[in-house]
Amino acid sequence: KAGVTQTPRYLIKTRGQQVTLSCSPISGHRSVSWYQQTPGQGLQFLFEYFSETQRNKGNFPGRFSGRQFSNSRSEMNVSTLELGDSALYLCASSLIGNEQFFGPGTRLTVL
Amino acid sequence: GENVEQHPSTLSVQEGDSAVIKCTYSDSASNYFPWYKQELGKRPQLIIDIRSNVGEKKDQRIAVTLNKTAKHFSLHITETQPEDSAVYFCAASTPPGYSTLTFGKGTMLLVSP
Repeated sequence: KAGVTQTPRYLIKTRGQQVTLSCSPISGHRSVSWYQQTPGQGLQFLFEYFSETQRNKGNFPGRFSGRQFSNSRSEMNVSTLELGDSALYLCASSLIGNEQFFGPGTRLTVL
Repeated sequence: GENVEQHPSTLSVQEGDSAVIKCTYSDSASNYFPWYKQELGKRPQLIIDIRSNVGEKKDQRIAVTLNKTAKHFSLHITETQPEDSAVYFCAASTPPGYSTLTFGKGTMLLVSP
């Protein structure tokens, strides 16, 4: 089975811009979660989607949003980028009640 | 919400020694505790996990123990090898489901030959 894939792998944006990241889960996985990884804060939960519905949301501002499509692919969007949004954004997919498998991440740099 | 503390932040051992990483969690409702290994520039990889109805689980050189009363769990790696060098993260998940993980800050393990 193909693993979790994320596009793009690297992204450079400037402050004030917006960005959209994409995640394709493992075939058959209907749950997709997103995490932000930074050296200072570690891995922090952003949100989780299941069957096109957001089931849970972490403690991030409203500039961070996401969605899931009927084929379970998910996107996350960050509007009005700030320097502090520079991070590795990881998505993970899972079957319900089972372990999460991570994608390679998208490295976002905000200048 | 859940809070996970992880210690130590760095751990240096000689090849062949054992390594122990400890985590505590705050929410007694948490019932799933995975451990991830992340090598430099790579994605986190699940190495072992334990659910709250089990006290210990072992997979070759790796074992995890869980003490629900004390709300702590530990990762034990025996006969360490240089390829075990990486950052290890513990996590906890609160019902429903296991799809929301709260992570510890990570332990950088360095195994010297």
